[in-house]
Amino acid sequence: LAKTTQPISMDSYEGQEVNITCSHNNIATNDYITWYQQFPSQGPRFIIQGYKTKVTNEVASLFIPADRKSSTLSLPRVSLSDTAVYYCLVGDEDYQLIWGAGTKLIIKP
Amino acid sequence: GAVVSQHPSRVICKSGTSVKIECRSLDFQATTMFWYRQFPKQSLMLMATSNEGSKATYEQGVEKDKFLINHASLTLSTLTVTSAHPEDSSFYICSARHRAGNTIYFGEGSWLTVV
Repeated sequence: LAKTTQPISMDSYEGQEVNITCSHNNIATNDYITWYQQFPSQGPRFIIQGYKTKVTNEVASLFIPADRKSSTLSLPRVSLSDTAVYYCLVGDEDYQLIWGAGTKLIIKP
Repeated sequence: GAVVSQHPSRVICKSGTSVKIECRSLDFQATTMFWYRQFPKQSLMLMATSNEGSKATYEQGVEKDKFLINHASLTLSTLTVTSAHPEDSSFYICSARHRAGNTIYFGEGSWLTVV
C-alpha cells in the first residue's frame, strides 16, 4: 500500500482556488488516487478519484502528473463551507485500509 | 451518489452492556463493508473488513470477540460492541464498496458514549 504525505493544514480565503498536493512516491501500477472530505462528526465524503492526467467533476479537479508520484486536488472558488479535513488515499481495492492525518483546510471570510 | 446509512447516529449505553450499530447501503449492493473508529482530531482507523456471507477480517489489535461484525446481506452489516467500557467511547464509521466498482462510500458515523 502506497504511503501518502499531505500538508497538515492550509488556510485560504473565500472565492480563492485551493490546491492540495499529496505525495505518493510508491504508487503501484494498479493504484487509483482517491480524495475524501470530512467534516467534524461526519463520515468522509467521496470527492474525486483518478488514475492519470486530469479528472474533473462538479466539485473538484484532480491533476495527476505522468509519473503519478503526486496528485493535486483543486477546489475552485472555495467558500466557508469547504472548511474540512481532506484525505488522499492511494491503492487498488484496498486503498481504504490506511488513512493518513489528512489536510485540515480552513477557509477564512 | 451512492448512499450508506448508519443507525443510530448517537447512542449512550451503560458500562457492561452491548450496543449494536447498523450500516446499510441504501441504493446499491455492497460486496464488502468496512468498520472504522475515529477518536477526536485523529484519522480513521480501520477495525475490520467484512464480506457478505463470510467472517470478518479484523485488523491487528482489534478484539473480534468484543467487536462482533455480521454481514448478513449485500446491503447490511452490523457492529456489536459487547460488554462496552468507557474507553470504547468513540465515533464509529462504516463504509461500503460498490459492487460495480472500487469506489467506497461512507456512512454518517455513529457516536458511542459508554457511561
